Amino acid sequence: DQQVKQNSPSLSVQEGRISILNCDYTNSMFDYFLWYKKYPAEGPTFLISISSIKDKNEDGRFTVFLNKSAKHLSLHIVPSQPGDSAVYFCAASYNSGGSNYKLTFGKGTLLTVNP
Amino acid sequence: NAGVTQTPKFQVLKTGQSMTLQCAQDMNHNSMYWYRQDPGMGLRLIYYSASEGTTDKGEVPNGYNVSRLNKREFSLRLESAAPSQTSVYFCASKGQPNTGELFFGEGSRLTVL
Repeated sequence: DQQVKQNSPSLSVQEGRISILNCDYTNSMFDYFLWYKKYPAEGPTFLISISSIKDKNEDGRFTVFLNKSAKHLSLHIVPSQPGDSAVYFCAASYNSGGSNYKLTFGKGTLLTVNP
Repeated sequence: NAGVTQTPKFQVLKTGQSMTLQCAQDMNHNSMYWYRQDPGMGLRLIYYSASEGTTDKGEVPNGYNVSRLNKREFSLRLESAAPSQTSVYFCASKGQPNTGELFFGEGSRLTVL
């Protein structure tokens, strides 16, 4: 049973436009959500996160929105740049302050930003 | 500033051979993790270690063993490799208890023939 779902395997947008990546989760115990970015032949790197007590977190061009009632989060990138082209993974966790902390990842969405 | 270092970066094995993937972090982190990434499957947790001296199974532990040698090092062993273990393996570590961010290594690409 997949607890974190990214239903769009790929997304293509024009440079300067908005990119919206979506993620759904099924486990209502999740209390912390993260987005990771991954370039080919590199490890994933942390991008932005949000706690379940918030509904929005912004960091420069990146904003994450959380809708707990719908068990849905999204990552907005504005404006999109060609260097943003990468695979984006949504991840979730619970017991975020505890010792047995672990992340559950979605399958990823390949974002392509065209010049 | 090395962060999380994995070795080897590439390895080809024959079915039935054994090998160990090494991981070391220099950030004084307590928790360490091994994930595998397969096409269309995302990142799946194999094993993790919440602290030195403890290890726990993740989502896909079968066919693997781990050792938390000390606070810095967390190794993943394949005792008898199978083609289904062909994958890219990532080691990660986590520091502060209330910070959810995991730091990943660059990955180890393993092919089992």
